[in-house]
Amino acid sequence: SQQGEEDPQALSIQEGENATMNCSYKTSINNLQWYRQNSGRGLVHLILIRSNEREKHSGRLRVTLDTSKKSSSLLITASRAADTASYFCATDAGGYSTLTFGKGTMLLVSP
Amino acid sequence: NAGVTQTPKFQVLKTGQSMTLQCAQDMNHNSMYWYRQDPGMGLRLIYYSASEGTTDKGEVPNGYNVSRLNKREFSLRLESAAPSQTSVYFCASTTDRAGGGYTFGSGTRLTVV
Repeated sequence: SQQGEEDPQALSIQEGENATMNCSYKTSINNLQWYRQNSGRGLVHLILIRSNEREKHSGRLRVTLDTSKKSSSLLITASRAADTASYFCATDAGGYSTLTFGKGTMLLVSP
Repeated sequence: NAGVTQTPKFQVLKTGQSMTLQCAQDMNHNSMYWYRQDPGMGLRLIYYSASEGTTDKGEVPNGYNVSRLNKREFSLRLESAAPSQTSVYFCASTTDRAGGGYTFGSGTRLTVV
């Protein structure tokens, strides 16, 4: 069962623009993570935000978490063609649970 | 550091054949996982191993078995492959099941005909 659901399913922007992807989930979480997957490759961990954090930054990435709305957003600023990939949110419900992934957002950044 | 290594990268099986997907990590991670990825379905957990000597079922375990051979290696076996098992399989590991990011292998693309 999918815990996280990303929105939109696909996003197409120009280089230099910002890209925003959203993730909604259903149950309480310990942390939420974002991953990137380039075509035909494995997933790469981007950033982790814990349930007691509201915002986190890493380079051009900004993640927010609203536990009251059970939602998170990933902002990529000043997008580059190399950012073209699928982006997945994954939730960790804590305890002895495992990561549950959403279906992903496909981002296309055109030069 | 190789990270997580999966073999083979590609495989074609006939229905009913068996095979084992291999996964090894060199990061001294405790927990290891097998996921499958199908178009439009995201990643779904097949089996995981919280530590050496333990394995547990995930969301879609039917038709699969696993072995945590040692701390480094976690294999996935298909005893009698079916076309529904055509998928991309990913192995992942993390140092601590509670709160860490996962490191993924590059995947095995399996086709069952």
